Amino acid sequence: SAVISQKPSRDICQRGTSLTIQCQVDSQVTMMFWYRQQPGQSLTLIATANQGSEATYESGFVIDKFPISRPNLTFSTLTVSNMSPEDSSIYLCSGGTSGVLGELFFGEGSRLTVL
Amino acid sequence: AQSVTQLGSHVSVSEGALVLLRCNYSSSVPPYLFWYVQYPNQGLQLLLKYTSAATLVKGINGFEAEFKKSETSFHLTKPSAHMSDAAEYFCAVSDSGNQFYFGTGTSLTVIP
Repeated sequence: SAVISQKPSRDICQRGTSLTIQCQVDSQVTMMFWYRQQPGQSLTLIATANQGSEATYESGFVIDKFPISRPNLTFSTLTVSNMSPEDSSIYLCSGGTSGVLGELFFGEGSRLTVL
Repeated sequence: AQSVTQLGSHVSVSEGALVLLRCNYSSSVPPYLFWYVQYPNQGLQLLLKYTSAATLVKGINGFEAEFKKSETSFHLTKPSAHMSDAAEYFCAVSDSGNQFYFGTGTSLTVIP
């Protein structure tokens, strides 16, 4: 298994500012993903964080708004840029290994409120 | 493409009663199926997973799920609900273990 740590766990931000969320995994994982979970809703995949290269974004999410870095196998960051109240959400980092035994492990999430 | 449908966004059961949370999947290839639980203000925790071995999968906290290919279902059950089971439950499907797709979730309430 893998333990995933995220910080900050929560933050309140002003409209127009940016916030970077950090994600640290305690063991090497082949995959890292960033999800958004809006109040009362399921998880929406934002992007796959690729080590040493640009992230792969899902439809509706763009790099300018959600720049992602993954400099090594165990660390990734997600920045929410030029925030608006619509960005208020829980952002979840997940990691895992691919293949038949693959499963995802999740951090506790970063609860973001934009005023 | 893969997807999951969870029937019932809210389920209420009495303490000690059977828990049944429904999940149906759509997959063009043999799927890997998962159930996750999310307690308030926490991340998701894996309850159990099906990866083409036994069709009846036992997980943590007394939960189990049965893979039924003919019904494309992977319903989650627990014989006797406990107050601590109150949480949000998510079904997820993966094709090769590289991409995961989550259902909309079912909120379980346990009535004392």
